[in-house]
Amino acid sequence: DQQVKQNSPSLSVQEGRISILNCDYTNSMFDYFLWYKKYPAEGPTFLISISSIKDKNEDGRFTVFLNKSAKHLSLHIVPSQPGDSAVYFCAASGKADSWGKLQFGAGTQVVVTP
Amino acid sequence: DVKVTQSSRYLVKRTGEKVFLECVQDMDHENMFWYRQDPGLGLRLIYFSYDVKMKEKGDIPEGYSVSREKKERFSLILESASTNQTSMYLCASRTASGELFFGEGSRLTVL
Repeated sequence: DQQVKQNSPSLSVQEGRISILNCDYTNSMFDYFLWYKKYPAEGPTFLISISSIKDKNEDGRFTVFLNKSAKHLSLHIVPSQPGDSAVYFCAASGKADSWGKLQFGAGTQVVVTP
Repeated sequence: DVKVTQSSRYLVKRTGEKVFLECVQDMDHENMFWYRQDPGLGLRLIYFSYDVKMKEKGDIPEGYSVSREKKERFSLILESASTNQTSMYLCASRTASGELFFGEGSRLTVL
């Protein structure tokens, strides 16, 4: 039973446009959310995070939005670049989990076309 | 610079063989994790460790065991490999602020 869901397995976007990746979660105890980026044959790398006390966090071209009432978060990449082509994983953890275990979504494959 | 190193990038094993996957981190982190990544399923937690000689089962521990004899090293063991354990295995260690740093992964094929 997946607690973190990424319902779009793939996304194609033109270079320079906005990429919007969506993530839904079911566990109301989650209070910390992260996005990871993964290239083929490499481990995931941390991209950006947000805690439940915020509804937006921005880092350069990447912005994460959190809607707690809808149990939904999204990652915006503006403008998209060819190097952004990768699999993006949404992850979440709960304050009650002192070990910091992350629950991951299935991932969204982003392809940025020139 | 943060470093998580997995000893083998690619392995091919036969059904029934014992498999060791080694992971070393140089950040003095207490918490370390083993995940497997499969298409359409994302990353699923196999085991984690919060201190030397301490371990806890994750979501899919069946068929796996782990060893944490030293703080920097966390090993994943497949006692008798099976074809459904063909996967990408990812080791990670956790910062105090909650991010996981991952190794490059070990692609295991069980024939």
